Amino acid sequence: NAGVTQTPKFRILKIGQSMTLQCTQDMNHNYMYWYRQDPGMGLKLIYYSVGAGITDKGEVPNGYNVSRSTTEDFPLRLELAAPSQTSVYFCASSPGGGGANVLTFGAGSRLTVL
Amino acid sequence: AQTVTQSQPEMSVQEAETVTLSCTYDTSESDYYLFWYKQPPSRQMILVIRQEAYKQQNATENRFSVNFQKAAKSFSLKISDSQLGDAAMYFCAYRSVNTGGFKTIFGAGTRLFVKA
Repeated sequence: NAGVTQTPKFRILKIGQSMTLQCTQDMNHNYMYWYRQDPGMGLKLIYYSVGAGITDKGEVPNGYNVSRSTTEDFPLRLELAAPSQTSVYFCASSPGGGGANVLTFGAGSRLTVL
Repeated sequence: AQTVTQSQPEMSVQEAETVTLSCTYDTSESDYYLFWYKQPPSRQMILVIRQEAYKQQNATENRFSVNFQKAAKSFSLKISDSQLGDAAMYFCAYRSVNTGGFKTIFGAGTRLFVKA
């Protein structure tokens, strides 16, 4: 059981380039999330999805886009990368949205924008 | 809006000793869940322990236990018989009980060092 798989693990981008962080889960979870983790800060929610075809913004959505065409996949797109997007990105999933639901995380993707 | 505060950026403990990590939160809700997540050097976050706010009994998971003080809005994590593998970043988190409360609020984290 792979859980939540993110790719790539590391990436260096130049300012203005675009890229997609891939996330897939094999637990048939309805909810999926993208977080970013900056040094000394907690995780901040970028986007989330409550099911295939449904996505919504979190706390820090500017500069990012997502899609959810299947239950398994939830890619995060960075358009016109900026140094402020240098961070570690985590994808997570949960069976539902209620408080009892525990998040299952991927291993993270470290992105550096130069 | 809910907030989670971890006032200890770093903590250190001797192997086999006990350490307590602090967490306070602010909310106007009466029912919610609190979590401690562990992030080892591998980066992958895993659940350590979960507490339901309407339950007065403190949650325990083997060497990990919490001290949940609802009135004080405090949720500390106690690690007993600390092991080298406990060295990690620990995040305290809050989650609303409602179905619409999908958002998990994380504290800034406490980095725990374990000395051999």
